[in-house]
Amino acid sequence: KAGVTQTPRYLIKTRGQQVTLSCSPISGHRSVSWYQQTPGQGLQFLFEYFSETQRNKGNFPGRFSGRQFSNSRSEMNVSTLELGDSALYLCASSLSYLATEAFFGQGTRLTVV
Amino acid sequence: TQLLEQSPQFLSIQEGENLTVYCNSSSVFSSLQWYRQEPGEGPVLLVTVVTGGEVKKLKRLTFQFGDARKDSSLHITAAQPGDTGLYLCAGVYYKLSFGAGTTVTVRA
Repeated sequence: KAGVTQTPRYLIKTRGQQVTLSCSPISGHRSVSWYQQTPGQGLQFLFEYFSETQRNKGNFPGRFSGRQFSNSRSEMNVSTLELGDSALYLCASSLSYLATEAFFGQGTRLTVV
Repeated sequence: TQLLEQSPQFLSIQEGENLTVYCNSSSVFSSLQWYRQEPGEGPVLLVTVVTGGEVKKLKRLTFQFGDARKDSSLHITAAQPGDTGLYLCAGVYYKLSFGAGTTVTVRA
């Protein structure tokens, strides 16, 4: 079966702009989590969505938001981009909320200039 | 601040040598996972350890969960260039909390 699909793979944005990233989970998976990966901080949890509801949230500013649609696809939005938002954004899908097995997509490489 | 501390940060060895990566925390987790991430890819789950003292083997990889469920180790026997990658441990509570990772390079 198809894996987790993230689009776009690469993105370059200017400071102050906003960006939307997309994640399509594995078919049948209903939970989607988002992570930010940077060389300095490693993998940091952003939020988890299950059944179109945000279930958990990491310690990120309100500029980071997300949503999940009825087909379990999820989007993540970052507004008023800062240089420090440059990172690899990873999406992981799981069968259900609090499921222990997570399958990651290839990520979206965001560069803010 | 990382809840999980991984050591060493970098490891470069010759093909055929053994290596061990450590993952330590002051927190107790319901289970602990190990992932490997290759450049340009997302992390791939290698194993989940659940019971304190548990040892799991995956071909040349041996994973151990500490008795108190606060630490874990990954041992690779006779490493091969294909083992090169970023190894991440993740503690499972209500979400995954990742360590900073250990970059392993196996030279041919």
